[in-house]
Amino acid sequence: DTAVSQTPKYLVTQMGNDKSIKCEQNLGHDTMYWYKQDSKKFLKIMFSYNNKELIINETVPNRFSPKSPDKAHLNLHINSLELGDSAVYFCASSPRRVNEKLFFGSGTQLSVL
Amino acid sequence: GENVEQHPSTLSVQEGDSAVIKCTYSDSASNYFPWYKQELGKGPQLIIDIRSNVGEKKDQRIAVTLNKTAKHFSLHITETQPEDSAVYFCAATTGIGTGANNLFFGTGTRLTVIP
Repeated sequence: DTAVSQTPKYLVTQMGNDKSIKCEQNLGHDTMYWYKQDSKKFLKIMFSYNNKELIINETVPNRFSPKSPDKAHLNLHINSLELGDSAVYFCASSPRRVNEKLFFGSGTQLSVL
Repeated sequence: GENVEQHPSTLSVQEGDSAVIKCTYSDSASNYFPWYKQELGKGPQLIIDIRSNVGEKKDQRIAVTLNKTAKHFSLHITETQPEDSAVYFCAATTGIGTGANNLFFGTGTRLTVIP
C-alpha cells in the first residue's frame, strides 16, 4: 500500500562497487525525482523525469544514471561508488505539475566503506 | 540559482506554545513555497504550500505567510504538540509546472516540543 516505495532501505558497500536503488510509485503520478540528503540533512535534487522523459538533470557525476522504464518506476544506478556518495537517497513523485506537492519515499541509506 | 536560507536551525518550545520558522529566498521570480516535515527515519512530507499570489494560508494549527517584497516566508505552528517534533524544511522554486528550475530547499529546522 506504500505510495512511493524504494528498495533497499539500507545499502552498505565497498568503494568501487556498482549498485542500484529501485523506486516505484502507485499514485499514478506523472513526475518522479531523485533527491540526495547529506549528513547535514541538506536536500538537493539530482534528477527528475516526467512521463519517462528526463526534465531535470542537476550537476551530478555521470557515475549516477537514472532509468525510467515506465512512469511508475525510476531507478538509480551508481557506478564506481565513492566515499562521498554516502548519503540518504530519496525518491519522490508529484501528481500534476513539476515541483508541486512532492510525495517522498522513506529513503535509502547508502554507506560506502 | 535560487538560494533559500532558513532560521533557526534548532527550536525548542513547550507543549501548547507557538513555533515560528522563517525562510528567505533570493530569486524574486520564485512563485511557489512549500513546507515539508521530516520525522526520524522517514521521507519529507508536505504539510502546507503557498503560491506567490497569496499572502497567507492556514490549515488547522499550521499557517504560512509570504512577504514578496521582503522575499521571506514563515511557518507558524500554534498549540504545539509532542508529535510536531521533527525537522521542517522550507523550499522555493520559479519552476512550478515547467521543470525549468529546481525546487530549492532550506537547511532545515529541528523542532522539539517539550511535554
